[in-house]
Amino acid sequence: DGGITQSPKYLFRKEGQNVTLSCEQNLNHDAMYWYRQDPGQGLRLIYYSQIVNDFQKGDIAEGYSVSREKKESFPLTVTSAQKNPTAFYLCASSILRQPQHFGDGTRLSIL
Amino acid sequence: DQQVKQNSPSLSVQEGRISILNCDYTNSMFDYFLWYKKYPAEGPTFLISISSIKDKNEDGRFTVFLNKSAKHLSLHIVPSQPGDSAVYFCAASVGGTYKYIFGTGTRLKVLA
Repeated sequence: DGGITQSPKYLFRKEGQNVTLSCEQNLNHDAMYWYRQDPGQGLRLIYYSQIVNDFQKGDIAEGYSVSREKKESFPLTVTSAQKNPTAFYLCASSILRQPQHFGDGTRLSIL
Repeated sequence: DQQVKQNSPSLSVQEGRISILNCDYTNSMFDYFLWYKKYPAEGPTFLISISSIKDKNEDGRFTVFLNKSAKHLSLHIVPSQPGDSAVYFCAASVGGTYKYIFGTGTRLKVLA
């Protein structure tokens, strides 16, 4: 059964720590995305990747980093430079001109 | 600069009636539009899409209308059901690109 898996579902971070959110897909999609959702602000694009070993900044990339070493995986690191990391993070994948498939999200909270 | 706007944060509709959700965009290069439905603590799920070469697309109870001259699209749900209660996002992209721009969402509540 194909889909996108995000883990963990809930994540807690101490201030000053980096934390990595996992995203894996078995849909054989070329592109993968990370979005952040805050109340009343919709989905804002952090980073996206169209092919392996390549990625582009979205609208709010500051304080985040990504890698795309495999087609199936697109982990997101929230660094200590991200001043307001508490949010709901969504990973998605797609092929060109087709709807995105989303994971169920990771909720990150700062202790 | 919000290129995709959903100006109504919330909407309440009686069960069985029509729900109309609206979306406006500013970038005339957008040529592919989508609607997603999202429940709390879950990822959005795709509902329906429309290409700019069409002005209407139907799928069961869901119809999307596109007015290119007004840079406006709408999602009609008929008849509305309590299970339709969710947040609805519209999204747009430019042909040949992978990047999608999302609106801020409209929370629909269908009253039984």
